[in-house]
Amino acid sequence: DSGVTQTPKHLITATGQRVTLRCSPRSGDLSVYWYQQSLDQGLQFLIQYYNGEERAKGNILERFSAQQFPDLHSELNLSSLELGDSALYFCASSVGGLAGGSHEQYFGPGTRLTVT
Amino acid sequence: AQKITQTQPGMFVQEKEAVTLDCTYDTSDQSYGLFWYKQPSSGEMIFLIYQGSYDEQNATEGRYSLNFQKARKSANLVISASQLGDSAMYFCAMREMNTGNQFYFGTGTSLTVIP
Repeated sequence: DSGVTQTPKHLITATGQRVTLRCSPRSGDLSVYWYQQSLDQGLQFLIQYYNGEERAKGNILERFSAQQFPDLHSELNLSSLELGDSALYFCASSVGGLAGGSHEQYFGPGTRLTVT
Repeated sequence: AQKITQTQPGMFVQEKEAVTLDCTYDTSDQSYGLFWYKQPSSGEMIFLIYQGSYDEQNATEGRYSLNFQKARKSANLVISASQLGDSAMYFCAMREMNTGNQFYFGTGTSLTVIP
């Protein structure tokens, strides 16, 4: 158990809908990262938050948004869903944010999103 | 050009032997980090090891070591004394620290440890 929790584990929804994925980092970790893993695109980095602020942005679509709350949990919002958004969405957390310090990341079990 | 290239889609290794998983990267950033992750068939993602571009020594974590050759832009993962539990997908990744802090992942190498 990494200490990172993600809810829900599975999500099935229709095209055009909006969903929210939730992540709670390990106690003491200030950074949260979101990744998408799909058969078509492989593993992709979406976005990182550090102590409530956006720190890095990857291949995150405009239909997707994220935030990190004062209690450090994070939510990834996916809207106007398309079939191609079906993927495993991982959240990870780490103590630090950028270069320096520990770079170890702890991953949650992932949320499997299926868009039908 | 691909930022991260893993040229071995699948690898086999005998139990207790060492194995090297290849990874080459492409960046013009002077400050970057290299990561290896393991993904067993159960699907979870596990961080294994990190190497910074300015680190002079190769990173090691238990049976894992990262063979960092900066001039060749390679960051191979070496697993010593392979165990059956090492059978998994292994992903190499790079983070460019001065140009947006994005992560780039390779396509992965599937390692099978043979008893």
